[in-house]
Formats: sequence, structure tokens, C-alpha cells
Amino acid sequence: DAGVTQSPTHLIKTRGQQVTLRCSPKSGHDTVSWYQQALGQGPQFIFQYYEEEERQRGNFPDRFSGHQFPNYSSELNVNALLLGDSALYLCASSYPRDSYYEQYFGPGTRLTVT
Amino acid sequence: DAKTTQPNSMESNEEEPVHLPCNHSTISGTDYIHWYRQLPSQGPEYVIHGLTSNVNNRMASLAIAEDRKSSTLILHRATLRDAAVYYCILLIQGAQKLVFGQGTRLTINP
Repeated sequence: DAGVTQSPTHLIKTRGQQVTLRCSPKSGHDTVSWYQQALGQGPQFIFQYYEEEERQRGNFPDRFSGHQFPNYSSELNVNALLLGDSALYLCASSYPRDSYYEQYFGPGTRLTVT
Repeated sequence: DAKTTQPNSMESNEEEPVHLPCNHSTISGTDYIHWYRQLPSQGPEYVIHGLTSNVNNRMASLAIAEDRKSSTLILHRATLRDAAVYYCILLIQGAQKLVFGQGTRLTINP
């Protein structure tokens, strides 16, 4: 059973560019959350997608947007990249209707903005 | 979001028990206590969670104080693979987001 997968593993972009990160959830999971983890910090919640709609959003600007596809996979888009967007971007999947609620994280995409 | 307080770092020896503390004095009655850990170069992984009673699973045990204002994650016999950052998180059942603090960086000495 494949866990959560993310692509690409690493990415280098220039300030002002746009980037798209991809996530495939664990089999059987229909909810995807995205987190940003700056170096030396704990992950910060960006948003969550369920049934192809954004369900909840953290304190991130509109430059951060996402999408969920009918197969439950998801994309995170960041426009007008800033140096401060350099971070590890983590995707987590879950099936919240389970009484045993747990989020499964992928290995992340390391984004470097120069 | 209710706040948790953890030591920045702890150190232990291989094959010895490890007790990782977490203070959550503002916990509400509906908050579950969750623990996640993040191994080097990996995403976080779930360890254990509980509400009021102590909990055990194959990875660890969770001891919850009677007033629920603190809890302790117990690794019964640490291995080198347990070296990670451990996060204590409070969640209302069905809550949609995990709010991570700084966590405790656990070092295991051989």
C-alpha cells in the first residue's frame, strides 16, 4: 500500500516565479492538507481540501492556492514567489470520518527560492 | 488553538526508557492530546493520542495527568531510530488542522 507521495522532491525557483507542487494521498483517503515547514520550525497549516473544495485555511496569503482532483490527488500553487517561501512543503492525507483520526504525511517537497 | 509547552531538547541512551513531557494547562474538555514525531528528512508521523485515560500502542505509551493539564509520552526502550523531533498537539475530535509548536528534539546516544 503506497503511502502519501509528493513530487517533485526538490525544486529551485527564482523570486516572482510560480510553482506547482503535487500530492497523491494514501489509498482510501479523501482529504488532503498542506503544511509549510521553515527550517528549524514546526509545520504550519496552509489549507485542507475535501470533495474538491477548500475546507479550512490557515494564515497564508492568497498567493497560496490549491486544487483537489476527483481522484483525491491535490496540487499546491504558489504565485509571485518570495525568498521567504523557501521551505519544506508537506502534504498529509486522512479519512476524517474514521473514529481513529490520523494524518499521514508525505516526505515533502523542498522549495528553494533564489 | 490551545497551547502546549515542551522542552526544546532531551537526550537519552539507547535501550533506556524516555519520558517526554508536555504541559497544556489551558486544555479544554473536548481536546484530545496527540503526539507526532518527525524523523530526520521525513514528514511527521503519528505516534499516539488520548483523551483522559492512559494509552498504549506498539510505538509508545501516553500518560495523562488526572487534571489533564500535562501528559508524558513514554518510549519504553529507546533505539537510535527514535531520534526525532516530538510534537505534542491538542485537537478537538474531528478538527481539521494540526497546530505544531517547536517540539522536543530527542537525541539517543549509542
